[in-house]
Amino acid sequence: GQQLNQSPQSMFIQEGEDVSMNCTSSSIFNTWLWYKQDPGEGPVLLIALYKAGELTSNGRLTAQFGITRKDSFLNISASIPSDVGIYFCAASFFGNEKLTFGTGTRLTIIP
Amino acid sequence: DADVTQTPRNRITKTGKRIMLECSQTKGHDRMYWYRQDPGLGLRLIYYSFDVKDINKGEISDGYSVSRQAQAKFSLSLESAIPNQTALYFCATSDLSGSNYNEQFFGPGTRLTVL
Repeated sequence: GQQLNQSPQSMFIQEGEDVSMNCTSSSIFNTWLWYKQDPGEGPVLLIALYKAGELTSNGRLTAQFGITRKDSFLNISASIPSDVGIYFCAASFFGNEKLTFGTGTRLTIIP
Repeated sequence: DADVTQTPRNRITKTGKRIMLECSQTKGHDRMYWYRQDPGLGLRLIYYSFDVKDINKGEISDGYSVSRQAQAKFSLSLESAIPNQTALYFCATSDLSGSNYNEQFFGPGTRLTVL
């Protein structure tokens, strides 16, 4: 089936640093979503993107829907300890209500 | 109160046992989904339902069955559990009527261990 290639798989950063991660596909999608999962919890929706080229922010988080519709990017500015967790991208296209998920980026903040 | 709840949160069982995982939602959403999460593999869709009379297989439905008892309830069964079904299981919902119908909202998960 379709796959989303998410990178990096893991990141080790210091508090206050900015973070960038991305998700790419060989297929075109109409919707890109970014989720965060804390240990022992379910994924929580952070940002939803519906238009190619769209740039959307949610606090310190900014995500972009790539112009080619085959990729998306998530940036976190000035990271704080509560940003620790696993970030997943997900995508779908119109007429197909199922989501395809990336394999996640694990973010760790080094003291 | 959580909008999407799952019971149990943790379960340990033995090979060959029948197990049911339950999901309830108060969001009023029509669509419900069951996913499985394994380390390094992300979330994979097991079954999904768009309303009470609609059941659809996902990418990894073998060994699982589901029941949509009501709009708010969607249960997942393992008829005869096997060790490689050890995983985290998540229920999710989405709203058919909204323009953002692809946005799915997840429950807290059930950690299942099959010995």
